Amino acid sequence: GAVVSQHPSWVICKSGTSVKIECRSLDFQATTMFWYRQFPKQSLMLMATSNEGSKATYEQGVEKDKFLINHASLTLSTLTVTSAHPEDSSFYICSARPPPGEETQYFGPGTRLLVL
Amino acid sequence: GENVEQHPSTLSVQEGDSAVIKCTYSDSASNYFPWYKQELGKRPQLIIDIRSNVGEKKDQRIAVTLNKTAKHFSLHITETQPEDSAVYFCAARTSGSARQLTFGSGTQLTVLP
Repeated sequence: GAVVSQHPSWVICKSGTSVKIECRSLDFQATTMFWYRQFPKQSLMLMATSNEGSKATYEQGVEKDKFLINHASLTLSTLTVTSAHPEDSSFYICSARPPPGEETQYFGPGTRLLVL
Repeated sequence: GENVEQHPSTLSVQEGDSAVIKCTYSDSASNYFPWYKQELGKRPQLIIDIRSNVGEKKDQRIAVTLNKTAKHFSLHITETQPEDSAVYFCAARTSGSARQLTFGSGTQLTVLP
């Protein structure tokens, strides 16, 4: 199946700093990628849909100015958590919309963010 | 939008027994229903999926059934093994252009040796 990578796998930062997370589709072109957040013992909650070459679509309650998404190429989407606070600590997972003709949505390995 | 409910939240079974996890969805336009297994700290891994034009699908010890009329779908794991222990998520995807997945709340399955 298709491969999605994510970097970094974990990051610890101080409160008030910004953190950038990269999501790459390694063997196919992903015009659409999805960003999820998962708190401990909870489900995956969709934060936003990232569209190549256009603005991301954010879910209700997700601050677009705090969670900046850039999808500048067909294989890379980035999520920047700006002015991070301890409550932003979570597991962030990206996924790529499957190639034409496929159904499966492939997930990246996730990024664990800890804000001190 | 779509709403997916999943039960139970925790499930313990003896090794060799069967496990059943159930989900309901709200949007009749949803047409694709995957099940994911997630181990602690890892990404969700697809274990089986079903499209809305199929009522049942089986892959070795894992099966999924779908009742479109009732908007129910279920995961069945037979002959459970300790390595089946994980969190399982159901999901539903609508047929819109975004093709987003909406996840259930998850089921922590524990298989006791």
